[in-house]
Amino acid sequence: AQRVTQPEKLLSVFKGAPVELKCNYSYSGSPELFWYVQYSRQRLQLLLRHISRESIKGFTADLNKGETSFHLKKPFAQEEDSAMYYCALSSQGYQGGSEKLVFGKGTKLTVNP
Amino acid sequence: EAGVAQSPRYKIIEKRQSVAFWCNPISGHATLYWYQQILGQGPKLLIQFQNNGVVDDSQLPKDRFSAERLKGVDSTLKIQPAKLEDSAVYLCASSLAVGGFSGNTIYFGEGSWLTVV
Repeated sequence: AQRVTQPEKLLSVFKGAPVELKCNYSYSGSPELFWYVQYSRQRLQLLLRHISRESIKGFTADLNKGETSFHLKKPFAQEEDSAMYYCALSSQGYQGGSEKLVFGKGTKLTVNP
Repeated sequence: EAGVAQSPRYKIIEKRQSVAFWCNPISGHATLYWYQQILGQGPKLLIQFQNNGVVDDSQLPKDRFSAERLKGVDSTLKIQPAKLEDSAVYLCASSLAVGGFSGNTIYFGEGSWLTVV
C-alpha cells in the first residue's frame, strides 16, 4: 500500500535559519514524489516535483530511494514561507494512466521574525 | 487561465440531511478528482474521473456518497444522509492527464467546507 509519512505536525524556525521538512514514503513501484503548499487562505498548489529536479522559491527536495525519503529543504527561511506543506506520492509513477495523489498529513511551518 | 471553481464555499447542515457540491475544472482538463480533507489530515482521494468515466472510487463511501460527471466537464458530489464524521473540506482538482500519459500537474480548487451538526 502507498503511504506518506510526515513526522512533524508543527515546525517553527527563525527567519534566516535553515529548514527541513521531513517526508518518508512507502511504495512498491517507482514513485513520483511531490511537495504541495497551502498558504493561509489560498488553495493547495504544487511547489515542486522530484522529476523536475528544480528549485522553487529556494526550496529543493531530493528523492532518496534507499531511505525512501523526500525531504524538503531551504537554506534560509523567509517569513513568507510560513504555510502548510504536504508531501504527496503519485501511485501511477511513470507508468502512465491518470495519476492520483496520496498525501501525508502535512507539516505546518512557521517562520518567526 | 481560470482555476478550478467550486461551490458552495461553506455549508452547515444537520446530520441525516443531504448536501451537494459542484465543481468546474480547468477548461480542457480530462481528469477530475474529489478529495476529502478532514481537519488535521492530508487530502484523501474519494473519486477520480477521466472524462465522464470513473477511474477510481475505491475509497468513496458508496452507501452515502455519490458523484457524477455526466458530460465530462462539471462534476457534482453528493452526500446523503450526512453524518457528523463527514465534516471536512471537499477539494475538487483537475489535470490534463489523458490515459497513458503521466506527469501533468494536478490543480486544486479552494474547497467546499462542510460542517455537519
